[in-house]
Amino acid sequence: AQRVTQPEKLLSVFKGAPVELKCNYSYSGSPELFWYVQYSRQRLQLLLRHISRESIKGFTADLNKGETSFHLKKPFAQEEDSAMYYCALGDNFNKFYFGSGTKLNVKP
Amino acid sequence: EAGVTQSPTHLIKTRGQQATLRCSPISGHTSVYWYQQALGLGLQFLLWYDEGEERNRGNFPPRFSGRQFPNYSSELNVNALELEDSALYLCASSLERYTEAFFGQGTRLTVV
Repeated sequence: AQRVTQPEKLLSVFKGAPVELKCNYSYSGSPELFWYVQYSRQRLQLLLRHISRESIKGFTADLNKGETSFHLKKPFAQEEDSAMYYCALGDNFNKFYFGSGTKLNVKP
Repeated sequence: EAGVTQSPTHLIKTRGQQATLRCSPISGHTSVYWYQQALGLGLQFLLWYDEGEERNRGNFPPRFSGRQFPNYSSELNVNALELEDSALYLCASSLERYTEAFFGQGTRLTVV
């Protein structure tokens, strides 16, 4: 069963515009949710995790258990935010499920 | 401090052969994860090793196997290669459950 869904393969916004990358999950237990980012020619790296409730590089993500969503948001996109973003879910058995990824393109 | 290293960077094999991919985790990390990133399919969980033992595996056939050595490095073996095994194979390591997972650059496996 698809655990993590990222409905948008590509998201293009202009610099300074708000951005929201969608992530929906399917899991009956209490999952751990993460966002990973992959900049051009760099390795995949953790951006943020829901348990930390932190803001990294201006990005935030709120876990909405009612809507089973963990959307990634930033009020003002920057060109350096252009990258591939993956939403991930960790289950109770230490399996990590990744979404198919959303490519964010921030235009000048 | 060195990050997660994977070797080789690229690997070309013919159908039916075996491939061996290697991963060295960050020093002190005991958990190693393997993922397959096929074109357009995102990251698919393959295997998780911790303290030398296989703890969990994804929905892949048994010809995908591996092991973790006493120094916590890991090998992924793919037997009887098929064309659809062509993908980027990523290794990640972490210190303990749900701490940050650090990824390697990956091994690009091409089966011809």
